[in-house]
Amino acid sequence: GENVEQHPSTLSVQEGDSAVIKCTYSDSASNYFPWYKQELGKGPQLIIDIRSNVGEKKDQRIAVTLNKTAKHFSLHITETQPEDSAVYFCAVINTGTASKLTFGTGTRLQVTL
Amino acid sequence: SAVISQKPSRDICQRGTSLTIQCQVDSQVTMMFWYRQQPGQSLTLIATANQGSEATYESGFVIDKFPISRPNLTFSTLTVSNMSPEDSSIYLCSVDVTGLYGYTFGSGTRLTVV
Repeated sequence: GENVEQHPSTLSVQEGDSAVIKCTYSDSASNYFPWYKQELGKGPQLIIDIRSNVGEKKDQRIAVTLNKTAKHFSLHITETQPEDSAVYFCAVINTGTASKLTFGTGTRLQVTL
Repeated sequence: SAVISQKPSRDICQRGTSLTIQCQVDSQVTMMFWYRQQPGQSLTLIATANQGSEATYESGFVIDKFPISRPNLTFSTLTVSNMSPEDSSIYLCSVDVTGLYGYTFGSGTRLTVV
């Protein structure tokens, strides 16, 4: 089955700096790559996603890049703010054969003042 | 995106008892997904619930321990049976309303078994 690795497990940045979280996957047929943000006491919330026919997608301060050849994708958060502090999960799915997501292990992001 | 109401939000239960978690969605959906998130861990899919058929369980999860009901297209329940402290986790339901795989999650049920 699909295997998703996520790094780093924890990340501390100063407010205003950038944060980058990287995920690698094993199934080259995977074609949909969402990122979720989970705040304390809440369920995961979809913040951005990318499909395999696109190399980069941006939404205000967050962006996701995809390298299909290397089988990795990354979440980029610029101008970090304290409210960005949360646990971030990447996920992967092959929409042609499965309807269930495989999640990464999560990254705890701490934005300090 | 869908609005998911999950109940209860948290509970503390005695070992050996059972707890039923409810998930109500504001849209009709074909599949509803149940996840477990152990403390400080990632999300693990328990089962997929389809209306009108038995749920499909992932490896390591069995119907006797996690029976699921799906009486209609907007509602599902997950029961955690004969609980032990190892069942202490957050249980989450999830749906894909758009069919584009942008899954929405409920706020979760935080279960503590003592």
